Amino acid sequence: RKEVEQDPGPFNVPEGATVAFNCTYSNSASQSFFWYRQDCRKEPKLLMSVYSSGNEDGRFTAQLNRASQYISLLIRDSKLSDSATYLCVVNMRKAGGTSYGKLTFGQGTILTVHP
Amino acid sequence: ETGVTQTPRHLVMGMTNKKSLKCEQHLGHNAMYWYKQSAKKPLELMFVYNFKEQTENNSVPSRFSPECPNSSHLFLHLHTLQPEDSALYLCASSLRLAEETQYFGPGTRLLVL
Repeated sequence: RKEVEQDPGPFNVPEGATVAFNCTYSNSASQSFFWYRQDCRKEPKLLMSVYSSGNEDGRFTAQLNRASQYISLLIRDSKLSDSATYLCVVNMRKAGGTSYGKLTFGQGTILTVHP
Repeated sequence: ETGVTQTPRHLVMGMTNKKSLKCEQHLGHNAMYWYKQSAKKPLELMFVYNFKEQTENNSVPSRFSPECPNSSHLFLHLHTLQPEDSALYLCASSLRLAEETQYFGPGTRLLVL
């Protein structure tokens, strides 16, 4: 089983649509969760962290379900500029709370927003 | 954005060549990373350096040899590569090893013939 699994898509949605991406992770020791965004032929960039209580940043909402080892990203009112690959990323922490510094990436979900 | 730079941006090499990839970060970070991104596959962590010391080698073949002379520079020396090594090689840095926000360079797109 992959450590971080995402539906690769592609998701093709019209402008203004709401779209949701899901991600599951296999290691219950995973402690930190993120969504990164990668534009075509560019480097990944941090979109947002995912907190246990769920968090929102403008049109983007991230949710975490530790019991199900499941993370989601919801994009409302999609813009053309949202077209990109969305990467689900997890990190493990050591017993003392420090990070291993090892981010584990999912394969990514491709989103295309069309006019 | 020039926080993390990588050179060259594109590289074509034969299997008998020796080449080096360079990464430089201007962010004052102490941890640096090499990742490999192949088509249709997730990013794979290759090496981790913290204050110039290697802390992680993710079972990478010896034909990839990293070097970190200081906290701002990271190299990846390549020799006798295989065609399956063709990929995008990304460098990243973070303020501390425990700092989970990593900043990526633009990558070197490598083609091995």
